[in-house]
Amino acid sequence: KAGVTQTPRYLIKTRGQQVTLSCSPISGHRSVSWYQQTPGQGLQFLFEYFSETQRNKGNFPGRFSGRQFSNSRSEMNVSTLELGDSALYLCASRPGQGGYGYTFGSGTRLTVV
Amino acid sequence: QKEVEQDPGPLSVPEGAIVSLNCTYSNSAFQYFMWYRQYSRKGPELLMYTYSSGNKEDGRFTAQVDKSSKYISLFIRDSQPSDSATYLCAMSARGNTPLVFGKGTRLSVIA
Repeated sequence: KAGVTQTPRYLIKTRGQQVTLSCSPISGHRSVSWYQQTPGQGLQFLFEYFSETQRNKGNFPGRFSGRQFSNSRSEMNVSTLELGDSALYLCASRPGQGGYGYTFGSGTRLTVV
Repeated sequence: QKEVEQDPGPLSVPEGAIVSLNCTYSNSAFQYFMWYRQYSRKGPELLMYTYSSGNKEDGRFTAQVDKSSKYISLFIRDSQPSDSATYLCAMSARGNTPLVFGKGTRLSVIA
């Protein structure tokens, strides 16, 4: 069965621009979480969506937003990019809102110049 | 103090060695403990999952949780070069709360 698919794999953007990242969860998984991974801070939780509703939100500024569609696919958007937003953005899906069967995608590597 | 502390390494061991990886945490509400392995240019993959205290074994891997000391460990027996990766601990208080990760320990197993 297909895993979690994240597109694009790599992105280079300029400061001040905005970016949209996409995540297609495993078929049948209704919960999608997003994490930011940097060498300095490790994996930090951004937000989780379940059935198109944001269920949890991490401690990130409002420039970071997301949404989930009726087919469980999710997007995250970062507006007014800063150099510090350069990171690997990881998406993880699981069947429901509980349980620990998280499956991660390979991530989108965002570089802000 | 971060909620979860993990020595970043790097840790280099010869093939066949026993590897011990550890995390400490400060939040006594954590009940669910996981270990993930992350290869270069890949997302983390779940290795071990433990609820509350105790040990769990799966092949060459053993996970231990000591809630009284707020300390978790992952042991890898007969380590192989293919075990070379970054190992991340993760934990959560309840099933519907986000995972909190350690920063990861980079392990190299030398043939």
